[in-house]
Amino acid sequence: KQEVTQIPAALSVPEGENLVLNCSFTDSAIYNLQWFRQDPGKGLTSLLLIQSSQREQTSGRLNASLDKSSGRSTLYIAASQPGDSATYLCAVRVGTYKYIFGTGTRLKVLA
Amino acid sequence: DVKVTQSSRYLVKRTGEKVFLECVQDMDHENMFWYRQDPGLGLRLIYFSYDVKMKEKGDIPEGYSVSREKKERFSLILESASTNQTSMYLCASSPMTIETQYFGPGTRLLVL
Repeated sequence: KQEVTQIPAALSVPEGENLVLNCSFTDSAIYNLQWFRQDPGKGLTSLLLIQSSQREQTSGRLNASLDKSSGRSTLYIAASQPGDSATYLCAVRVGTYKYIFGTGTRLKVLA
Repeated sequence: DVKVTQSSRYLVKRTGEKVFLECVQDMDHENMFWYRQDPGLGLRLIYFSYDVKMKEKGDIPEGYSVSREKKERFSLILESASTNQTSMYLCASSPMTIETQYFGPGTRLLVL
């Protein structure tokens, strides 16, 4: 059974720091992996999608990597800003319509 | 921009009430989803629909039903609300390829 884990559950960093968020999954049979951002009390916004055949994707200050063989993905945020404060979730697609979500890392960037 | 809207941001209901949560998307997406999100448990799929009048059970369908009479609208129904259904409910839609899902703002439901 696929399980998705995100450690740490919470993280505080000073503004300007580069940081890495981690996501691990137990079964390498995935279609893709997606990183989402969720602001308090709001829905999820897709940040990056990595297909199973890809190694990484970049968007602005964000870079996501995928290592299927080790069951790991990282989300790298460069030069963090207070506006990056949110919960970041990863999700793996394991079936036609089925995604398994992690429980997220709550990030706080201190001004 | 894709827009997914949910009928209410906050709802307070009594145990035993019938509750309707509505979701509307404006991008002509084939697929629509209902999830619930609870602390420490992440998002769990309740129901999924891939076409009008078509539905599939997700991981936790007990106590819920759904209706999709029009392509743009997907309703979640709590037949008889219970306190353990207090949660954040998130609707999402995606095109047929399901490469990515677009989420609504969520409905926070409190059942007393």
